[in-house]
Amino acid sequence: QKEVEQNSGPLSVPEGAIASLNCTYSDRGSQSFFWYRQYSGKSPELIMFIYSNGDKEDGRFTAQLNKASQYVSLLIRDSQPSDSATYLCAVTGAGRRALTFGSGTRLQVQP
Amino acid sequence: DTGVSQDPRHKITKRGQNVTFRCDPISEHNRLYWYRQTLGQGPEFLTYFQNEAQLEKSRLLSDRFSAERPKGSFSTLEIQRTEQGDSAMYLCASSQGSPVEETQYFGPGTRLLVL
Repeated sequence: QKEVEQNSGPLSVPEGAIASLNCTYSDRGSQSFFWYRQYSGKSPELIMFIYSNGDKEDGRFTAQLNKASQYVSLLIRDSQPSDSATYLCAVTGAGRRALTFGSGTRLQVQP
Repeated sequence: DTGVSQDPRHKITKRGQNVTFRCDPISEHNRLYWYRQTLGQGPEFLTYFQNEAQLEKSRLLSDRFSAERPKGSFSTLEIQRTEQGDSAMYLCASSQGSPVEETQYFGPGTRLLVL
């Protein structure tokens, strides 16, 4: 079992819809959870982080964390074609600072 | 530009040659990380520094890899006797803050191709 799992996609949504990206992790001691966006050929760009159970909103983005279920998600409201990218979920383990990444979910927003 | 910078952006080398990459972190950040990313995968952690001290190394970091951060500012990653399997994007990230709230910001990466 991988430490951080994501569906590779592609996830295809129409412009203006809500995109829902999911991530599960295996280490119950994981402390902080991150979503990065990566365009093809570019480096990861931080979108949001969350470390408490519940929801955290930033503009069109909402991160949701459920530590009991070891599940973190990212909702993108009013999806735009420019949101088309690979979304990487990353976690930090207990007492560790290094990020452990999933393989990413490719999102396609259809105009 | 006050973000993380990396040099070179691209490197093509022949198998068996040595290569060195440089990373300049965001100026006020005291932690610096190196990751490696291959096609279709997420970045994999290699090593990290807090100031000039190298605090953690992944088992992915074979003895052909060495990293330094001599004055707690920029860092170098050297790969000796490169192999075709070393072809990847090498990413540097920097950060500051408490363990829970720390966020890492990535540089543009160095893309290595070993022929």
